Amino acid sequence: QLQLQESGPGLVKPSETLSLTCIVSGDSISSSYYYWGWIRQPPGKGLEWIASIFYSGSTYYNPSIKSRVTISVDTSKNQFSLKLSSVTAADTAVYYCARYCTSTTCYVGFDYWGQGTLVTVPS
Amino acid sequence: QSALTQPASVSGSPGQSITISCTGTSSDVGGYDLVSWYQQHPGKAPKLMIYEDIRRPSGVSNRFSGSKSGNTASLTISGLQADDEADYSCCSYAGNSTWVFGGGTKLTVL
Repeated sequence: QLQLQESGPGLVKPSETLSLTCIVSGDSISSSYYYWGWIRQPPGKGLEWIASIFYSGSTYYNPSIKSRVTISVDTSKNQFSLKLSSVTAADTAVYYCARYCTSTTCYVGFDYWGQGTLVTVPS
Repeated sequence: QSALTQPASVSGSPGQSITISCTGTSSDVGGYDLVSWYQQHPGKAPKLMIYEDIRRPSGVSNRFSGSKSGNTASLTISGLQADDEADYSCCSYAGNSTWVFGGGTKLTVL
């Protein structure tokens, strides 16, 4: 059974860089069927797609936040990571990592999610 | 890339049906058959309920159905049950390996 687990600090100071890692277990991250991504949800608000990465290293970003975001993958550790620079209180959110399946052998959507991790940036 | 538009809230009584709309543009919802819907209970991660506009993953009740017309996708829940009370979000592929979510809809079962 595929599992995703986010890890990283729960508190980041304003103007610093938020760093999160998603450890994937139960399947290889090196598959051409999947994108691996980060999605966040500010308290009481909707979901926002941040970025996705292919196992090959190809990266894709939400234009609204692209200038501050870096997503990377480490296939040897079966994990991928997110860095968000120059954070402000507006970046306070639950951050989820998720898999997006593109193959007809699975469900084409964000089919597996981590439990989410709350990152707080004090104002 | 603007968020898809969903009603903030909907409600219905047990046994009734409700429909949640999700409006985008021809660059996302209307441009691809790749709208998905997610159910999220408080404090939990989202769960995929509908994919490719109308398809339902195994294990998801057939009370949940998806449809689409032009730039608007819809999620219908029939035979409402207490456990259906949750937040529901739509998501669409928006081209160039990017995605956009809706603002979410809170479903209250009266």
